[in-house]
Amino acid sequence: LAKTTQPISMDSYEGQEVNITCSHNNIATNDYITWYQQFPSQGPRFIIQGYKTKVTNEVASLFIPADRKSSTLSLPRVSLSDTAVYYCLMNSGYSTLTFGKGTMLLVSP
Amino acid sequence: KAGVTQTPRYLIKTRGQQVTLSCSPISGHRSVSWYQQTPGQGLQFLFEYFSETQRNKGNFPGRFSGRQFSNSRSEMNVSTLELGDSALYLCASSLGRDHQETQYFGPGTRLLVL
Repeated sequence: LAKTTQPISMDSYEGQEVNITCSHNNIATNDYITWYQQFPSQGPRFIIQGYKTKVTNEVASLFIPADRKSSTLSLPRVSLSDTAVYYCLMNSGYSTLTFGKGTMLLVSP
Repeated sequence: KAGVTQTPRYLIKTRGQQVTLSCSPISGHRSVSWYQQTPGQGLQFLFEYFSETQRNKGNFPGRFSGRQFSNSRSEMNVSTLELGDSALYLCASSLGRDHQETQYFGPGTRLLVL
């Protein structure tokens, strides 16, 4: 199964840009990279997905280098409500998402 | 469009009992996946159903089973409950046609086994 490696935790302050990098050295050719956000006792919420280069939506950007062995989720101007666990994962099969440990982001005032 | 719904939201059972959890996917979605989340093991894939057939299965004992109905609603059952089955059980739905599709998660069912 494809595996990802992310920092266990990160700290930031309100208004700052946060970049969370994920390593996925054994990514397969047809894998997509997907990021989810999860608040305590809630289901994960889809943030963004990409295959290569850069993807941007209304909440985040995803940067993927040419070799696709890593990716970086960028959250612009975070707020307190962005405090959550962020998961990087690869869609490696039909509807079977393999979650890692995730990154606990703490945003302080 | 309504999101994924799960019932019940909270459940308390005792060891040896069995439990059935329900999941209603987003309208039009034919794939339903189930996950177990615990502090120690994190989010783990249980199984996935597509068009009433189990298409994928994770590494869980046979006490964990599921099914999907013709309207895509799904149930999972855990028999002979153990203390270690206490967890947040999440279901997610997607169209089910391509592996890169977004999965949408429900709020989960919190199961406590005493």
